Amino acid sequence: NAGVTQTPKFQVLKTGQSMTLQCAQDMNHNSMYWYRQDPGMGLRLIYYSASEGTTDKGEVPNGYNVSRLNKREFSLRLESAAPSQTSVYFCASSETNPTNYGYTFGSGTRLTVV
Amino acid sequence: GESVGLHLPTLSVQEGDNSIINCAYSNSASDYFIWYKQESGKGPQFIIDIRSNMDKRQGQRVTVLLNKTVKHLSLQIAATQPGDSAVYFCAEVWGGYNKLIFGAGTRLAVHP
Repeated sequence: NAGVTQTPKFQVLKTGQSMTLQCAQDMNHNSMYWYRQDPGMGLRLIYYSASEGTTDKGEVPNGYNVSRLNKREFSLRLESAAPSQTSVYFCASSETNPTNYGYTFGSGTRLTVV
Repeated sequence: GESVGLHLPTLSVQEGDNSIINCAYSNSASDYFIWYKQESGKGPQFIIDIRSNMDKRQGQRVTVLLNKTVKHLSLQIAATQPGDSAVYFCAEVWGGYNKLIFGAGTRLAVHP
């Protein structure tokens, strides 16, 4: 049981390049999330998907797109990377039962845009 | 590891002492709160949670207190150990369906 798996773990991009961060969970969770973490800023919500087939913007969605490919997978795409997107990205998943808000996080993707 | 937490406030304690980490949350409508621990190079790890209809909840060596009047959370760690050294975040659930919003975090440094 792997929990939440993110790939890649590290990536360096040049400004203007595009890439997709992959996330998969094996806990049969309905909801999935993408966060970014910058020094001194805590984690900020980029996008989330409450259930398969739906996605919504979080606090900092500009410059990103997401796809909920199926119940297991939720990808984050940077169409034209900018240095301001240098950060550590975390994917998470959770149940949607209101009596159980357990969130499980992946180990993160460290992205550097030069 | 990541450069997470370079500018975070730091709480330094001696091994064996009790630690208290504080957090102010933003939304009076939040109905659920979670404390997370994050070690270098890892994702946040669940510690303890509390619902808005409670004032206190205890776990193993940890206690969370909630003061809704002043929108304040605290995490108390008893008999702090070197393995407790990490960055600690509070998070609140509000504003819609299961959105988890994090506070800025506090670094806990445990000295022998």
